[in-house]
Order: sequence, then structure tokens, then C-alpha cells
Amino acid sequence: KAGVTQTPRYLIKTRGQQVTLSCSPISGHRSVSWYQQTPGQGLQFLFEYFSETQRNKGNFPGRFSGRQFSNSRSEMNVSTLELGDSALYLCASRASLAQETQYFGPGTRLLVL
Amino acid sequence: SQQGEEDPQALSIQEGENATMNCSYKTSINNLQWYRQNSGRGLVHLILIRSNEREKHSGRLRVTLDTSKKSSSLLITASRAADTASYFCATDDNTDKLIFGTGTRLQVFP
Repeated sequence: KAGVTQTPRYLIKTRGQQVTLSCSPISGHRSVSWYQQTPGQGLQFLFEYFSETQRNKGNFPGRFSGRQFSNSRSEMNVSTLELGDSALYLCASRASLAQETQYFGPGTRLLVL
Repeated sequence: SQQGEEDPQALSIQEGENATMNCSYKTSINNLQWYRQNSGRGLVHLILIRSNEREKHSGRLRVTLDTSKKSSSLLITASRAADTASYFCATDDNTDKLIFGTGTRLQVFP
């Protein structure tokens, strides 16, 4: 099976712009979670989607949003980008809510100038 | 912050030596997991230990869990240069989100 894929892998944006990141989970996996990784704050949970519904949300401002499609692919959107949004954004999938292990993609590295 | 703490922050050893990293967390948990990350890439799941388990082995990995102290340790035996990576513990407190530790950067010299 192919692993979790994320596109794009690298992205450069300027302050005030918006960005959309995409994640394709492992085939058959229905849950997708997003994490932000920065040197200062480490790895932080953003949100989880299951069957197109957001189940859980981390402590991030409303500028961060996401969605999941019927094929389980997920997108996250960040509007009005700030310099502090520069980070590695990681997506993880799991087959079901009962599965404890999450499988991570390679991440999208976002640089905000 | 809910984030767990790991120590040491960085560890340098020679190939063949053992590496031990420790993780402390703050809340009651269902399980604790260890992940490896190579140089800013995605995380790879290594091992999961449930709250009712005290020790678990997988190949060269040994994980212990002490729920009374809210701590865990990861031991990598007979380390190899390919083990060079950052290692993170992550706790699942039954809210379906993983709370990650701060990570330990392991450097294994050939």
C-alpha cells in the first residue's frame, strides 16, 4: 500500500496570503489528523477528521481550518498567514477510530515571508 | 502546556552503545507511543505501550512505562548510525489526539 502523501512538499508564501495543504491517507484509512511542528512549540495537534466530520480540534485560531472529502482525502487551510505559521505541517491517517497507531506523511514545509 | 517533556534533549553515542531516552507526561493516559523522525521528515511509529503494561520489547527497542510517576523510557540497544534521528514520545489520553513530547535528538557516530 502506498503511504500517506502530502502536497505540496514545500511552499513559500507571504504574510496575509492564504494557503491550502493536501493530504491523501493510506488507502482504506478513514481518519486524518493534522499536526504543526515548529522549533519553538514542537508538535501540536491541529484537528482530526473522520467520515468528513471534524472530531477534535487543537488550540489554534480560527484561521486554521480543514475539511475531509468522501474519499477521505483532507485539506487544511490557513488564512491571513503570519510569520509564526512557518512550520512543518504533518498529516497522519489511521484506519479507524479504534486504531491507536497513526501513520504520518512526509509533511509540507511552509515558509511565510 | 500539555506537552510532555523528554530528556535528554540531545544524546551522542558511538555505534554499538545503548541509548536511553526518557519521557514524562502530565495526564492519565490510555497508551504511550514512541515515534522516530529523520531530519524534518514525517514520523515513523516505533512502539506502543498501554497503560496497563509495564514493559514492551520490539527488536532492539525496549520501552518501560511507570504510570505512578507518569514517565516512560525508550532503550535502543546496540545502536547503529542509521538510528540517528529525533525520537518523540506521544500520549493518548482518550481524547483521540496525540500529545507529543519535546523530543530527543540522537546522534550515533560510526
